[in-house]
Amino acid sequence: TQLLEQSPQFLSIQEGENLTVYCNSSSVFSSLQWYRQEPGEGPVLLVTVVTGGEVKKLKRLTFQFGDARKDSSLHITAAQPGDTGLYLCAGAENFNKFYFGSGTKLNVKP
Amino acid sequence: DAGVTQSPTHLIKTRGQQVTLRCSPKSGHDTVSWYQQALGQGPQFIFQYYEEEERQRGNFPDRFSGHQFPNYSSELNVNALLLGDSALYLCASRNSGSQTQYFGPGTRLLVL
Repeated sequence: TQLLEQSPQFLSIQEGENLTVYCNSSSVFSSLQWYRQEPGEGPVLLVTVVTGGEVKKLKRLTFQFGDARKDSSLHITAAQPGDTGLYLCAGAENFNKFYFGSGTKLNVKP
Repeated sequence: DAGVTQSPTHLIKTRGQQVTLRCSPKSGHDTVSWYQQALGQGPQFIFQYYEEEERQRGNFPDRFSGHQFPNYSSELNVNALLLGDSALYLCASRNSGSQTQYFGPGTRLLVL
């Protein structure tokens, strides 16, 4: 059973489109992280958000942590084929134990 | 500087056997965590080692055990393998003062 629910599970879009991926939980986390994982590799950390309501931007990616520190979203502007991958959110319990969502598989078609 | 390395990359075992997976953390990292990632799922936390002791544990049976050595490398042992243990096993390391963990490429275990 996943403590974190991610939606959608799958997303296939054209290059240049915008998208938002959601990560929801009934639990409060000390921090929340987003990762991207490509086939045959381990997840790579994209961002860590700690404060409720926090918004972080990394180039075309915008991450938001909910006010109650239970949910988060990842918005990608003008998606590119290089953004293709599995996007995972992970909530941290006391900064030590990380619970992962089941992921959103994104495919960006050229 | 090598990142997190894991061995072997792939492994095939039969039910009831035992397996040992190995992980070398990134240089300067003292904390190692192990995760199980089933096909189509996110990683599930197995346990975390720091100062050669298990500090946190996820919801996994005692068949899953581990060890951390003085050089911070770690092993994951699984006894009495079940078909359901087939998965990608990921190791992640970090410095104890940081929340940023780095993952290795994983060991893909297939139990027949």
